[in-house]
Amino acid sequence: SAVISQKPSRDICQRGTSLTIQCQVDSQVTMMFWYRQQPGQSLTLIATANQGSEATYESGFVIDKFPISRPNLTFSTLTVSNMSPEDSSIYLCSGGTGVGYTFGSGTRLTVV
Amino acid sequence: QQQVKQSPQSLIVQKGGISIINCAYENTAFDYFPWYQQFPGKGPALLIAIRPDVSEKKEGRFTISFNKSAKQFSLHIMDSQPGDSATYFCAASRETSGSRLTFGEGTQLTVNP
Repeated sequence: SAVISQKPSRDICQRGTSLTIQCQVDSQVTMMFWYRQQPGQSLTLIATANQGSEATYESGFVIDKFPISRPNLTFSTLTVSNMSPEDSSIYLCSGGTGVGYTFGSGTRLTVV
Repeated sequence: QQQVKQSPQSLIVQKGGISIINCAYENTAFDYFPWYQQFPGKGPALLIAIRPDVSEKKEGRFTISFNKSAKQFSLHIMDSQPGDSATYFCAASRETSGSRLTFGEGTQLTVNP
């Protein structure tokens, strides 16, 4: 299965700024996803990152707030824009081909 | 609505005991049911998965039991160890390329020594 590297692992950001999270897969994968996870809670899907086209966002998430890029089959970025304290969370990248997706270790974001 | 309901929310087991976590789903189109294990500060890791053509799958101390008619599946951890202490998530999806996972709420398992 694919190995996913995600960075940064954590960051503390000022409100109103933006942070870009990178996700690198060690092999080409068909699907890449971005999730948000509050401590002690389940995973909430933000969007599916589509290679070469606009991401597919879940209800409650919009492109202006969470722009996503996926230039090839091994790399994707998620930007958290105009951050507020409510954006403090763990952001996770996931990917794979078929089923049995793997996850990165996550980015712990704190907005102050 | 595509939901997966998981219980219990938390579970405390003595070392050597059996840990049992249950999940129920609604969407009969789901045909792939994985379990993920997550340690603090790490992303979820695929533990074991089952497809509905079998009623049970065992890998080491971990067993999935699947009841298609009841739309339920469960994870059994035999001879539970303190190192099994983690959060466990069940999930479900359609086994077609590009299908997203729908996750349960998670179970925090603590195995006391």
